Amino acid sequence: DVKVTQSSRYLVKRTGEKVFLECVQDMDHENMFWYRQDPGLGLRLIYFSYDVKMKEKGDIPEGYSVSREKKERFSLILESASTNQTSMYLCASSSTGGKQYFGPGTRLTVT
Amino acid sequence: GQNIDQPTEMTATEGAIVQINCTYQTSGFNGLFWYQQHAGEAPTFLSYNVLDGLEEKGRFSSFLSRSKGYSYLLLKELQMKDSASYLCAVRVHGSGNTGKLIFGQGTTLQVKP
Repeated sequence: DVKVTQSSRYLVKRTGEKVFLECVQDMDHENMFWYRQDPGLGLRLIYFSYDVKMKEKGDIPEGYSVSREKKERFSLILESASTNQTSMYLCASSSTGGKQYFGPGTRLTVT
Repeated sequence: GQNIDQPTEMTATEGAIVQINCTYQTSGFNGLFWYQQHAGEAPTFLSYNVLDGLEEKGRFSSFLSRSKGYSYLLLKELQMKDSASYLCAVRVHGSGNTGKLIFGQGTTLQVKP
């Protein structure tokens, strides 16, 4: 069965902390994506990657960076967390031309 | 720019039929997806249209008109478990032949007994 896992379901961090969100997929997919989901705004793409070490900015990359050192793993990094980054973060993966499969999400609260 | 519109909320009765509309204006088009998302859970794939017409899958059907920038999701014989958010998403081309998804805000459907 297809699986996308995320390192934490819930996370609480302080303003200014560096935050790592990890995503792992077991489907050998080329493409991986990070979204955030906020009420009234829907899912918005932060960054995506189409190959190891390749990354592309999405619609709202400011304040975030990503890392893809291995095909199965895609990390989202908040260099200095701020309260406006409190959100639900969703990771997804897909094969080229295929549908996206989503992980369970990480609800991040920055205080 | 990229714009996808769908109603924010809908209410329907158990056993009835409901149609959730989605209109889009995007630079490029490479298919339209519908996802279902229950509260606190990940979105799960429902349907995909890339050509005009109707795609049927059990109680769920999805329609696409590319010339009108319009799609709908039809849910028949509604059940209480269909209470969820329904997300319309358009795939556009990205780097490396990646398909990026542009999502609408989602439609929260409440099914009442």
